[in-house]
Amino acid sequence: QITLKESGPMVVKSTQTLTLTCTLSGFSLSTSGVGVAWIRQPPGKALEWLALIYWNDDKRYTPSLKSRITITRDTSKNQVVLTMTNMDPVDTATYYCAQNRQVYGLDVWGQGTTVTVSS
Amino acid sequence: QSVLTQPPSASGTPGQRVTISCSGSNSNIGGYYVHWYQQLPGTAPKLLIQRNNQRPSGVPDRFSGSKSGTSASLAISGLRSEDEADYYCSAWDDGLSGWAFGGGTKVAVL
Repeated sequence: QITLKESGPMVVKSTQTLTLTCTLSGFSLSTSGVGVAWIRQPPGKALEWLALIYWNDDKRYTPSLKSRITITRDTSKNQVVLTMTNMDPVDTATYYCAQNRQVYGLDVWGQGTTVTVSS
Repeated sequence: QSVLTQPPSASGTPGQRVTISCSGSNSNIGGYYVHWYQQLPGTAPKLLIQRNNQRPSGVPDRFSGSKSGTSASLAISGLRSEDEADYYCSAWDDGLSGWAFGGGTKVAVL
């Protein structure tokens, strides 16, 4: 069974750096064709794709946040880490990670982790 | 402002058919598969339709998807109370070099 689980701080202060971890189970990011994406959803708003890392370490970032976010992987721990610098209250959202199988979409999602940015 | 355009809401009575549209461009829907996600209240999104019209295992056949040119649609037939949720369309976008999402459509069962 494939699962993903997000973890990280529930609250961060403005200007701080957020680090979120996505722990994978039932699949490996070393498997050809596989990727992991991060998506966020502000309260009452739509989904927003943030970043994507592939099995071959190819990385993609949403242009509007590219200067602030970094996605990395730790294959030994089967984890994907998202780092976002200079946090602002507008970054308050639920952050999800999901398995990316490209032509098949984001086919398994984590439960999400809620992050509140305090000013 | 979402890359893909969806109506904010849709509704129907139990048993009715509801259709949700999703409009994009040649850089997304026009060149790539469309996927649909269902988000029940307070839960994470779940893949509902993949590759324009394919249902993942476990998704009832009441849900169907289609695509034509730069637009796509999701249909829910035999509407049920448990279908009350937000529905999002998504497609790969060349401009983002990543996933584009619609603004979401809230479906109410009257």
